[in-house]
Amino acid sequence: DQQVKQNSPSLSVQEGRISILNCDYTNSMFDYFLWYKKYPAEGPTFLISISSIKDKNEDGRFTVFLNKSAKHLSLHIVPSQPGDSAVYFCAATTTHAGGTSYGKLTFGQGTILTVHP
Amino acid sequence: NAGVTQTPKFQVLKTGQSMTLQCAQDMNHEYMSWYRQDPGMGLRLIHYSVGAGITDQGEVPNGYNVSRSTTEDFPLRLLSAAPSQTSVYFCASKFLTGAVNEQYFGPGTRLTVT
Repeated sequence: DQQVKQNSPSLSVQEGRISILNCDYTNSMFDYFLWYKKYPAEGPTFLISISSIKDKNEDGRFTVFLNKSAKHLSLHIVPSQPGDSAVYFCAATTTHAGGTSYGKLTFGQGTILTVHP
Repeated sequence: NAGVTQTPKFQVLKTGQSMTLQCAQDMNHEYMSWYRQDPGMGLRLIHYSVGAGITDQGEVPNGYNVSRSTTEDFPLRLLSAAPSQTSVYFCASKFLTGAVNEQYFGPGTRLTVT
């Protein structure tokens, strides 16, 4: 039972345009969501996150939106750059009081983003 | 500060062989974990540890053993490798009470079992 799903295996966009990556989850206990970026032959690196008490978090060109009622989150990259080409993983976890967590993450399947010059 | 290191980078095993995947971190992190990444499945948690001498199972623990004798090292053992264990394995670490997003992943070990 896949609790976090990324239904688009791949996405191709033109440089300068917006990239929108989507993620759905089923577990109502998840209260913290993260996006990781992964280049070939490297481990995932943290990109941006959002707590369930917010519906938007922005960091430079990257914005994550959370729709709790729909159990859906999305990552917007504006403008997209060729260096953004990578695999993007959505992940979710349940945090303890105070917002910390051991870090047991449930990942989606990943979306391969290709940004063409 | 090397971060999270994993050895070997690549390994080919025959069915039934045993091996240990090494993971080490030099950040004094209490929490360490192992994930496997398979096509179409994302990363799945195998085992984790909240400190030396303490380990617990994740989502897919069968076929794997772990132990944590030091803070720095968290080896993953395959006692009798099976083709279903062909995967890329990632180790990760963080401070136990640190922020969720401050978890660092190693570069991975690509394992093929024939």
